[in-house]
Order: sequence, then structure tokens, then C-alpha cells
Amino acid sequence: AQSVTQLDSHVSVSEGTPVLLRCNYSSSYSPSLFWYVQHPNKGLQLLLKYTSAATLVKGINGFEAEFKKSETSFHLTKPSAHMSDAAEYFCVVSDPYSGGYQKVTFGTGTKLQVIP
Amino acid sequence: DAGITQSPRHKVTETGTPVTLRCHQTENHRYMYWYRQDPGHGLRLIHYSYGVKDTDKGEVSDGYSVSRSKTEDFLLTLESATSSQTSVYFCAITPSLQGYDNEQFFGPGTRLTVL
Repeated sequence: AQSVTQLDSHVSVSEGTPVLLRCNYSSSYSPSLFWYVQHPNKGLQLLLKYTSAATLVKGINGFEAEFKKSETSFHLTKPSAHMSDAAEYFCVVSDPYSGGYQKVTFGTGTKLQVIP
Repeated sequence: DAGITQSPRHKVTETGTPVTLRCHQTENHRYMYWYRQDPGHGLRLIHYSYGVKDTDKGEVSDGYSVSRSKTEDFLLTLESATSSQTSVYFCAITPSLQGYDNEQFFGPGTRLTVL
């Protein structure tokens, strides 16, 4: 079974303060994990991905995430929020490809508000 | 930008009418997907395709059909639109399916309203 839980539907931070968006996953395999960002009325853009190499993954725009197998977590962080970070963020879990259909499960999203 | 376009970008239609959404890609990727996005649900897979004329159902396929007669085009049809199909529809592709290297790239979306 495969599932992903984003623990907060909304997060509000002040500009210049750290960002933490939480994600827990469940998978029968050693999964791939992704974070996507969606700005209002836009498509989804890949922020970063974990694919069984380094557990600390760096992405675009200063975001990073740490894969913690013991905690089944893949939380997204950024040291200092910028107004342009205001968006919705999706955590995604995927089984590694082994032929046939690659199952992908999306979290329900976390809306990040950045206060000036 | 993975070269994905969707048309139309916005559509308003009436209950009971058929609707077809088009996804077009320019890079000959084998795998294509249709998702719907609804508040509180994230993205849910409707149908996917693993090649020309090869398609299969996702988790929310009832009321939808798809066709892929060319590598570059993946069509989603709502056979008889209902208000519950009001949603934003996203097409996606996977450039590579090699072990863990399997991220998806998304089109800009189609906002569909069924009255």
C-alpha cells in the first residue's frame, strides 16, 4: 500500500523566517519522493526529488528536504521565506519503476502564506 | 518546460454534453497521464497511457474515456458531463522510467465548469 499525508493544510510564516512543510509517507517499497509547487492558476513544478541517493536533497529556490526512513518523513524546509514562495505545495510518493504501471500518490497539499 | 500544451484552457459546458480535452506533447514521451485536481484531494489519476493505443484506468475513471492514436496526443473525453466533473484537469508525462528516475512533468491545466 502507498499513501502520503501532509500534516498541515495551511502554513503561515513571516517573510524572512524559516519554512517547514511536513510530509509523512507509507510505501511497501523503498520509494521515490517528490515535492511539487503550484502557484495560483498555474501547473505543478518539480521542486526536488529523493531517489535513494543522498538523504538530504536540495531543490530549486533554496528549498531542501530530508528523507528519514525511520520516521517515514520527507519534510520540506527553507531557511528564509520570500513573498514569491506563497503557493500550494504537494508531497508525492512513487514506487520505483519495475515495469508496467508506476503508481504515484499525491498528498492533499499545503498552502503556504507568506506575510510581509 | 516539458513541451506540454493543453486545450482548451478554460471551458464551460452544460450537464449531459460530451466534452473532449486535448493534451499535446512535442518530445515523443511514451507515458502520459490525465489527472483531476479538486480542493482537499490533491491530484487523482483518471487514466494513463503507455503507448499509442495502450491505455488503462486510474483511480477515478468512471465517466471518462481516453484515446491515444498518436504519440503526441492524449485525449480525455467526458462522455456525458456532470456537475461533479467540474474540476481542473492536468495532463502529465514521464520522460524516463528507469528505477527511481520517474518524476512527472505537468501541463498548464484546463479549468472545466459543468453547469
